[in-house]
Amino acid sequence: DAGVIQSPRHEVTEMGQEVTLRCKPISGHNSLFWYRQTMMRGLELLIYFNNNVPIDDSGMPEDRFSAKMPNASFSTLKIQPSEPRDSAVYFCASSLLRGGQPQHFGDGTRLSIL
Amino acid sequence: GESVGLHLPTLSVQEGDNSIINCAYSNSASDYFIWYKQESGKGPQFIIDIRSNMDKRQGQRVTVLLNKTVKHLSLQIAATQPGDSAVYFCAENNAGNMLTFGGGTRLMVKP
Repeated sequence: DAGVIQSPRHEVTEMGQEVTLRCKPISGHNSLFWYRQTMMRGLELLIYFNNNVPIDDSGMPEDRFSAKMPNASFSTLKIQPSEPRDSAVYFCASSLLRGGQPQHFGDGTRLSIL
Repeated sequence: GESVGLHLPTLSVQEGDNSIINCAYSNSASDYFIWYKQESGKGPQFIIDIRSNMDKRQGQRVTVLLNKTVKHLSLQIAATQPGDSAVYFCAENNAGNMLTFGGGTRLMVKP
């Protein structure tokens, strides 16, 4: 079975540039989560969607961050303009929409902003 | 153990020994718990879960114990192997389908 697929796996860009991270959730899953992981702060939830609708974006650090889910099989996380402090590993996870279900993670995008 | 700030607690065990990784969770209303394993360069991988109406659940070489009285969760790995070396996270579900993650424990297996 295909798991959660994220692209790109690695991204290196200069500050000020727009960055777009992509995620394809597991087929049939109707909840999608974006996380950021750093050594300093661990794993942080940025935003999550249920049935393609954003439910809680309180973890999104600033207006520079935005996320969309145009359909059940695709989501993007965009940073514009990017800053060096955005450097982190960004994970996407998906699950079934009900309590008591595990989230399944992709292998992440390692983002470096120079 | 729980992570505090920058430092990940580390558990070092000899290959073949049993490992026990502990986690204190925060919300007494949490009703579902998960253990994840994260290897270098990969995303967290689901290992085992347990619901609050149980106090023990076993998988292949892994056992999760839940003590709701003291809000404590543990992961036991039998006959630890080098491939078990990773960071292990506990997570609790206390609102809808959102999870709150612990800080992680690094398991190092010595050959």
